[in-house]
Amino acid sequence: DFQMTQSPSSLSASVGDRVTITCRASQSISSSVNWYQQKSGKAPKLLIDAASTLQSGVPSRFSGSGSGTDFTLTISSLQPEDFATYYCQWSWTFGQGTRVEIK
Amino acid sequence: EVQLVESGGGLVQPGGSLRLSCAASGFRFSDYWIHWIRQVPGKGLAWVSRITIDGSNTAFADSVKGRFTISRDNAKNMVYLQLRSLRVEDTAVYYCVRDGGVGTPFDHWGQGTLVTVSS
Repeated sequence: DFQMTQSPSSLSASVGDRVTITCRASQSISSSVNWYQQKSGKAPKLLIDAASTLQSGVPSRFSGSGSGTDFTLTISSLQPEDFATYYCQWSWTFGQGTRVEIK
Repeated sequence: EVQLVESGGGLVQPGGSLRLSCAASGFRFSDYWIHWIRQVPGKGLAWVSRITIDGSNTAFADSVKGRFTISRDNAKNMVYLQLRSLRVEDTAVYYCVRDGGVGTPFDHWGQGTLVTVSS
């Protein structure tokens, strides 16, 4: 079965830190990997589609990259409102999620 | 403004049934596929089902195949998910989600409706 393996499952970071979350596909896929942010008690929100296209209104500190099997979400300077859980997704498969917590 | 509003969740006993509804507004409903994605409280996201723009093609996760059905009424801008033979492991928040078709992201999500299966 196809899988998206996301790492780490959680991380602690401080405001201003650079944060990187990775997602590895179990087989080579197109660049149509999407990233979502979910805050506690809320529905997920699309941040990035097609691996690197930032959605309208999403701060430029968020960026995405990758192709083939390895994809990355980067937050260049973590802000208080970025503490949330992040998911990668391809087709109908989601990664397990990465919880970003305050250090 | 794009809106997807789910309803119909609640407490049901194992083996029971429930129908979830999703009311869409703010966009041309008949141009979009609609999915249901669920999330066990405290856990990750899991795709459940999808229906194409005219309802002619549906798909289901293996875990719900044969127990859930999906339908839509484009005249009413509504999507329905019928849940049957419910199991404790079906307990989750169910989200109604829009996408534009193959290769497009899940770009708008409803707020979710909680289904609890318990005796």
